[in-house]
Amino acid sequence: DIQMTQSPSSLSASVGDRVTITCRASQSISSYLNWYQQKPGKAPKLLIYAASSLQSGVPSRFSGSGSGTDFTLTISSLQPEDFATYYCQQSYSTGFTFGPGTKVDIK
Amino acid sequence: EVQLVESGGGLVQPGRSLRLSCAASGFTFDDYAMHWVRQAPGKGLEWVSGISWNSGSIGYADSVKGRFTISRDNAKNSLYLQMNSLRAEDTALYYCAKDLTAAAGTSIVFDYWGQGTLVTVSS
Repeated sequence: DIQMTQSPSSLSASVGDRVTITCRASQSISSYLNWYQQKPGKAPKLLIYAASSLQSGVPSRFSGSGSGTDFTLTISSLQPEDFATYYCQQSYSTGFTFGPGTKVDIK
Repeated sequence: EVQLVESGGGLVQPGRSLRLSCAASGFTFDDYAMHWVRQAPGKGLEWVSGISWNSGSIGYADSVKGRFTISRDNAKNSLYLQMNSLRAEDTALYYCAKDLTAAAGTSIVFDYWGQGTLVTVSS
């Protein structure tokens, strides 16, 4: 299976900050990379698919970029409702693995 | 409004079986592939299995292959996961998830999720 890593594993930020999370695949996955947000006790929510396509209804402060093995999720101005754990997921090959997550909490 | 409601979880002894169900509504169920994704307590997400709109294509994670069977009943708008030979490491919250892409495509992108059903494997 393709291994997914994320960095950092956690970060503390303030409302209004620009936040960047990195996801790396163990081999090239083209643009088959998706991002999810999960809040405690809730199901994950799709934010970005195909590396950079914003899911319907997701605020435009969220954006994704990258291809091949290196990808980023950027939150341009962190809002109180954005404190959560973020997961990347590859949809390139069987296993369809997720990264270990990045927890974003309040500084 | 898309709704996915899982059921069938519970406490089960190692080696025993359990069948999960997912009732879908708010979309044309037989247009979409469906998936099961699980999350062990306090851990990350793991794709378990997926099935195409017409059951013609099915896939499993290596960790469950040969023990779990996914199926669907399009007449009942329902997805199932038959879990046999359960192990302690199968303990998790099991989510039913809808695929993003309609008809013949399967994107393995999960755009709607249920709230999950908890499976605990313990003696």
